[in-house]
Amino acid sequence: QKEVEQNSGPLSVPEGAIASLNCTYSDRVSQSFFWYRQYSGKSPELIMSIYSNGDKEDGRFTAQLNKASQYVSLLIRDSQPSDSATYLCAPAVGNTPLVFGKGTRLSVIA
Amino acid sequence: DTAVSQTPKYLVTQMGNDKSIKCEQNLGHDTMYWYKQDSKKFLKIMFSYNNKELIINETVPNRFSPKSPDKAHLNLHINSLELGDSAVYFCASSQDLDSGAEKLFFGSGTQLSVL
Repeated sequence: QKEVEQNSGPLSVPEGAIASLNCTYSDRVSQSFFWYRQYSGKSPELIMSIYSNGDKEDGRFTAQLNKASQYVSLLIRDSQPSDSATYLCAPAVGNTPLVFGKGTRLSVIA
Repeated sequence: DTAVSQTPKYLVTQMGNDKSIKCEQNLGHDTMYWYKQDSKKFLKIMFSYNNKELIINETVPNRFSPKSPDKAHLNLHINSLELGDSAVYFCASSQDLDSGAEKLFFGSGTQLSVL
């Protein structure tokens, strides 16, 4: 059984702060890891992907991966109200996510 | 232009009925998917097709039958609908990349309510 655990939140941060979103997964063979953002009532959209241990930065977003600990995180710097959404973690065996986490709801307060 | 379009957006029906959801992508992608997002918000893969060939078939009741007439279309037919089938169904597509990860492009979802 593949499990993906995320704190459902809501995680509230003030505008301009750093938001830290965490995810643990149970499937040790997962090779690729994705973060998707889902606005309420909308479809998910890809924010970040990471395949190797360590950090990967893209603009205000940084993904961190620790395969030994089966842990992946997403940092959002200089959080904006437009970042308010649910963030879904998705480990993948190969390239296709089989199951996403329930997501962490982020609320950025202006 | 909508990249991945699925219809209908809302579907309300009675238990026992048969219904279909249609999906089309104009991105030229090779792979299409159906995902189900249930009331607990887990998003799980149901099926994956690559160039009209079934690649992934997760543990899904055989009341669900995908059909891919061509690589731009992947429809989902559901027989004998049950209350537990109520969920949001997302169609998605991606382009095979030798380098690895496939970015999923999702449709806007179909909210299925079985009464």
